[in-house]
Order: sequence, then structure tokens, then C-alpha cells
Amino acid sequence: AQSVAQPEDQVNVAEGNPLTVKCTYSVSGNPYLFWYVQYPNRGLQFLLKYITGDNLVKGSYGFEAEFNKSQTSFHLKKPSALVSDSALYFCAVRDLNSGGYQKVTFGTGTKLQVIP
Amino acid sequence: DARVTQTPRHKVTEMGQEVTMRCQPILGHNTVFWYRQTMMQGLELLAYFRNRAPLDDSGMPKDRFSAEMPDATLATLKIQPSEPRDSAVYFCASGLEREWNEQFFGPGTRLTVL
Repeated sequence: AQSVAQPEDQVNVAEGNPLTVKCTYSVSGNPYLFWYVQYPNRGLQFLLKYITGDNLVKGSYGFEAEFNKSQTSFHLKKPSALVSDSALYFCAVRDLNSGGYQKVTFGTGTKLQVIP
Repeated sequence: DARVTQTPRHKVTEMGQEVTMRCQPILGHNTVFWYRQTMMQGLELLAYFRNRAPLDDSGMPKDRFSAEMPDATLATLKIQPSEPRDSAVYFCASGLEREWNEQFFGPGTRLTVL
């Protein structure tokens, strides 16, 4: 079975400061990991993903995430937060051994509030 | 700019009525997902289609929900009869069938059952 945890319901950060949104995962094999963002009244939008290779993944809007296998984490980061980054962020995981189709498990979401 | 489209965007109905939500996946995508999002339950997978065939509908209440893909350009989610607890935002997403591929979400249908 695969699962993903986002331990923080909300993260507050001042504009211009670095931000981190945490995600940990559990899979039986090797993971594919994803981050999505949801702006108010919109669908989820893909930000970045880890498949294999470099542990630091760069994505849209200046976001990046670091895959840490020993800590089973995939935290989302950005060096300097913008007010426009305020949104709901979802981490998702797919276990390579979970079966023959593209089912992914989403976390519960973390609300990011960037304070001007 | 290819996008997943969903209709209607908003639906208010009374308990017991039938509700049909429609989704047009991105042309060329061969996987379609239906999700439900609520404050209490978060994002739940209701159904999954690959090449128009249903592969997983274990998250869907079978007695009142049904999902179909009449053709490659249309996916439908039907609730009959609707209940107030069905009030939620329903998202359709599409993608290409590779384990590492992301999903592309539509804007959602906000359903309110009175």
C-alpha cells in the first residue's frame, strides 16, 4: 500500500522569505512523487515530479523539491515567497509496484499563506 | 493550449434529482479520472478509465453513482438519486498512460444538493 502525509494543515510565511511545505511518503517499492497546486476555485495544477536521478527537482514558478530516500520525504521549497504563491499544495505518490495503472495517492493538502 | 473542460461549472439541485456531470479530456490522453473534493474528506478518487474502459471504481458509491465514457472525447459522472452528502466539487483529470506522467485537472463542477 502507498500513502503520503502532509503534516501541516497550514504554513504561513512572510513575502520574500524562503518557504517549505513538507511531505513524507510510504511505498513498498520505489516512488514516483508529485506536487500539485490548487488556486481558489480552480483545479489542481501540476508543479513538479520526481522520477529518478537528481534528488533536487525544479518545477514551475520557481518551486523545487528535494527527494530524500532515507527520510522518505519530498519537501517543496522556494527561495523567496510571493503573495501570489498563496494556495493549497498537494503532494502525491505512486508506487512503482502498485499495479498496472496510473493510480496515485494524494495527501490532504497544505494551505500556504504568504503574508505581505 | 489544451485543457480539460467540465460542464456544468456549478449545479444546484434538490435531493432525489438526477445529476450528470460531463468532462472532455485533453485530445490524445487515454486515461481519465474522476475525483471528489470536500473539506472533510479531501481529494477522493471515484473512478479511473483507461482507453475508455473502467479500471477502478472502488471509491464510488455503487448504488447511486455511475461513470461512463461513451467515446474518447466525453466522460460522464452521474448521481441518481442525489443526496445532500453528495455536495462537493467534482474534478475530472486526464493523462497519458505512463506511471510517471502527471494528471491534468479540469476546473471542477461545484455541486450543491439541497
